[in-house]
Amino acid sequence: QQQVKQSPQSLIVQKGGISIINCAYENTAFDYFPWYQQFPGKGPALLIAIRPDVSEKKEGRFTISFNKSAKQFSLHIMDSQPGDSATYFCAAKNYGGSQGNLIFGKGTKLSVKP
Amino acid sequence: DAGITQSPRHKVTETGTPVTLRCHQTENHRYMYWYRQDPGHGLRLIHYSYGVKDTDKGEVSDGYSVSRSKTEDFLLTLESATSSQTSVYFCAISERGLNEKLFFGSGTQLSVL
Repeated sequence: QQQVKQSPQSLIVQKGGISIINCAYENTAFDYFPWYQQFPGKGPALLIAIRPDVSEKKEGRFTISFNKSAKQFSLHIMDSQPGDSATYFCAAKNYGGSQGNLIFGKGTKLSVKP
Repeated sequence: DAGITQSPRHKVTETGTPVTLRCHQTENHRYMYWYRQDPGHGLRLIHYSYGVKDTDKGEVSDGYSVSRSKTEDFLLTLESATSSQTSVYFCAISERGLNEKLFFGSGTQLSVL
């Protein structure tokens, strides 16, 4: 119930294409869903986040789509660029218990080919 | 990296020795966290702090202890390092709320031989 399942593990996309990364969760108490982007040798950085009161959030080329009934959310990167090559982590905040810890997916390594 | 300094950046140590990793922030953020990152496991929370001298356990806290005597410093100690603690350790901070909008440091690569 505490897991966030992320897929695919790795993804290769051509420049200009759409990158799609999916995450699924079981705990219906989750109420905050961020995505983090990590470049090699760096710490993760918050990219975009959504709460379950909306089904979509867009920031530039990055869009989160959220399906509450299916307990799924996904990251779409439009017009993917080589500079988008990084590892992406989805996460969900757990309101169950006293800690409210972020639960991270295992990551997706994205490579955008020129 | 949002005013977060982790030290050391790299460390090699032997099994059974104590190790302390330091996280220093200049943002005056209330919340501080220690995560470990391992291939195939993503990021897992070790311990976190919600104020000076206020800390709590995360999901993988066994074998680790923390201390926060000042707002800006959060120390992670491995009392007796084991090979399973070989990992990349990240410190993170947040201001607005617990586990919201985390800013991460650049990490410490720890190898336990």
